Amino acid sequence: AQTVTQSQPEMSVQEAETVTLSCTYDTSENNYYLFWYKQPPSRQMILVIRQEAYKQQNATENRFSVNFQKAAKSFSLKISDSQLGDTAMYFCAFMVHSGNTPLVFGKGTRLSVIA
Amino acid sequence: DVKVTQSSRYLVKRTGEKVFLECVQDMDHENMFWYRQDPGLGLRLIYFSYDVKMKEKGDIPEGYSVSREKKERFSLILESASTNQTSMYLCASSAYHLGTEAFFGQGTRLTVV
Repeated sequence: AQTVTQSQPEMSVQEAETVTLSCTYDTSENNYYLFWYKQPPSRQMILVIRQEAYKQQNATENRFSVNFQKAAKSFSLKISDSQLGDTAMYFCAFMVHSGNTPLVFGKGTRLSVIA
Repeated sequence: DVKVTQSSRYLVKRTGEKVFLECVQDMDHENMFWYRQDPGLGLRLIYFSYDVKMKEKGDIPEGYSVSREKKERFSLILESASTNQTSMYLCASSAYHLGTEAFFGQGTRLTVV
């Protein structure tokens, strides 16, 4: 069974600063996908970024980037130039390399961006 | 835009009632999921379905059942609601492609009194 661990229940960051959210996972699989989802106060879960385990290059999406360390089973999310709209719960998630398997989520990190 | 619609945003039910939570998606996705979200516990999988009339138990299926009679609709059923089922319920769907993202509904906050 796969497990996902987010060790930071809550974090805060000043507007315009950079913050890194941690995620580690445990699996015996070699091929899989990793995701970061954002859940703002509106409750709508939104995909932030996705990483394929077979790709060595770290994924980036505008101000969001990941540091994927496959050997260490680590998948951290870096948010640059933090904005007030980044305030949300952030969930790290894992999916095995299959077409019909569910996401396995961590417990989440609540991020507050302070003006 | 992909849309996953949950029938209720807020719901209050009495202990012992039979409760139906409905979820509809409009993107012809094969996979549909029901998660339960509790503070400090993240999202936990209750049931999922990868085809019409197919269902698989997730991590916490006890006290729940599901129904998928049509591809676009996936219902979560609480046979006899209890106060420990007070929670946020999230429905999601995804296509049968490797590593595709899941799309979520806005959640139903269920309170059992």
